[in-house]
Amino acid sequence: NAGVTQTPKFRVLKTGQSMTLLCAQDMNHEYMYWYRQDPGMGLRLIHYSVGEGTTAKGEVPDGYNVSRLKKQNFLLGLESAAPSQTSVYFCASSYSPRVAVTYEQYFGPGTRLTVT
Amino acid sequence: LAKTTQPISMDSYEGQEVNITCSHNNIATNDYITWYQQFPSQGPRFIIQGYKTKVTNEVASLFIPADRKSSTLSLPRVSLSDTAVYYCLVGDLPFSGGYNKLIFGAGTRLAVHP
Repeated sequence: NAGVTQTPKFRVLKTGQSMTLLCAQDMNHEYMYWYRQDPGMGLRLIHYSVGEGTTAKGEVPDGYNVSRLKKQNFLLGLESAAPSQTSVYFCASSYSPRVAVTYEQYFGPGTRLTVT
Repeated sequence: LAKTTQPISMDSYEGQEVNITCSHNNIATNDYITWYQQFPSQGPRFIIQGYKTKVTNEVASLFIPADRKSSTLSLPRVSLSDTAVYYCLVGDLPFSGGYNKLIFGAGTRLAVHP
C-alpha cells in the first residue's frame, strides 16, 4: 500500500515550458486535491476533484489545468510555466464525506518545481 | 471563509506538554476543526479532528470550548521528533456549492529542545 505518490520529485523548467505532474493513490479515495506551498507559507488549494471525470477550481487555479480520467490518478498541468509557479506541489486524497469517519486528507511527498 | 490565527512559533523541551491555541472567530455551524503536522520536505499529516468539546487519540488531544471560537491542540510529553509545523484548519469538506473551504494558514513552528 503506497498511499499517495507523486511524479516527479524534482523538476526545473524554463519560462514558457510545459509539464505535467502525476499524482496516484491506491486507497480508492473519491476526492483528490492539488496544493502549492511557497516558502514559509501554508498550503493553497489549486484544483480538486470529487470523483473520476470531475474537476473544480480551488483558491489559486490560474495557470494550471487538471484532469481526472481515472479514479486513482490526478494530473496537474502547467501549459506555460512562469517563475511565479516556482513552488512545492502537494497532492492529497481523501474519502468522500459520505463514507469518511474523519475529513482526513492523505498527502503525497511533494514535487519541488523551479521555473527559471 | 473561516480564518484561523495561530502563534507563529513556540519552543518547548523534551517531556513537556505543549498546547497550541488556534483562534477562529467566524467558524460556521458546519465547520470542523482539524490539525495537521508537517515535517520539512514532507506533506502534512493528519493529527486530530473535532467538532466540539474534547477529542483524544493516541498522539494528541483537542479541546474546543462551547462557543467554538478557538481550539487547543495538546501534545503530551513532546520529544525532539515532534519538532514540526502544526496547522489548524477550519472548514467543511467540499464541495457542495463552492470550492474547498479548508484553508491552511502559515501554521505554528514548534521547536522541541533537549
